[in-house]
Amino acid sequence: AQRVTQPEKLLSVFKGAPVELKCNYSYSGSPELFWYVQYSRQRLQLLLRHISRESIKGFTADLNKGETSFHLKKPFAQEEDSAMYYCALISTQGGSEKLVFGKGTKLTVNP
Amino acid sequence: NAGVTQTPKFQVLKTGQSMTLQCAQDMNHEYMSWYRQDPGMGLRLIHYSVGAGITDQGEVPNGYNVSRSTTEDFPLRLLSAAPSQTSVYFCATIGQYYEQYFGPGTRLTVT
Repeated sequence: AQRVTQPEKLLSVFKGAPVELKCNYSYSGSPELFWYVQYSRQRLQLLLRHISRESIKGFTADLNKGETSFHLKKPFAQEEDSAMYYCALISTQGGSEKLVFGKGTKLTVNP
Repeated sequence: NAGVTQTPKFQVLKTGQSMTLQCAQDMNHEYMSWYRQDPGMGLRLIHYSVGAGITDQGEVPNGYNVSRSTTEDFPLRLLSAAPSQTSVYFCATIGQYYEQYFGPGTRLTVT
C-alpha cells in the first residue's frame, strides 16, 4: 500500500539555522510527490512539487528514489516558516488518483 | 476567482443531529475531495469524486455521505453526528498537475 511517513511530529530550530523536514514514502511505481504548508488557522497551500524542481520561499526538496525520500530543506530558517508541513504522494487505485498525506510535521522557528 | 469555498466556517452540533457541509469551486476541476484533519492524525480522506455523478469512499467514510450533481458543488453530509466527528473539515480540488487546492476549512464540534 502507498504510504507517506513523516517521522517527526514536532521540529524546533532557531532563526537562521538550517532546517530539514523528513519524508519517506512507499510506492510501487514512479511517485509524484508534493509538500504542502499550513500556516496557523489557514488553509493548506501547495509549497512545491518534485516534478517542477522549483525552490519556493527558499525551500527545496529532492527526490531520492534509492532511499525513497523527499526531504524538505531550507538553509536559513525564518520565523515566518513556522507552520505545519505535510508531505504527500499521488496514489493510483482502481484507475483514479488520490493524494496520500503524511501525518505532518509542526515546525517552530524560534527567534 | 473564489477558488474553493466552504460554508459554514464553524458549527456546533449535538449528538444525533445531521447537517451538510457545503463546498463549491469555480476552477472547473473534475476532482474534488473531503478530508478531516485531527491532531496527530494528519489529513484523512473521507470521500472523493472524479466528476459529476461519480463518488467513491476514502480512508474514513463511515458516518458521512456525499453527492456530486454538478462540477461545482460537493456537499458532505453528516447523517447522525457523533463526538468522534469533531474535527476540521477541508474540501479540495485537484488541478492539472495533481496539485491540490484547499478550501478554508469548517471547524465542527459535536457535543
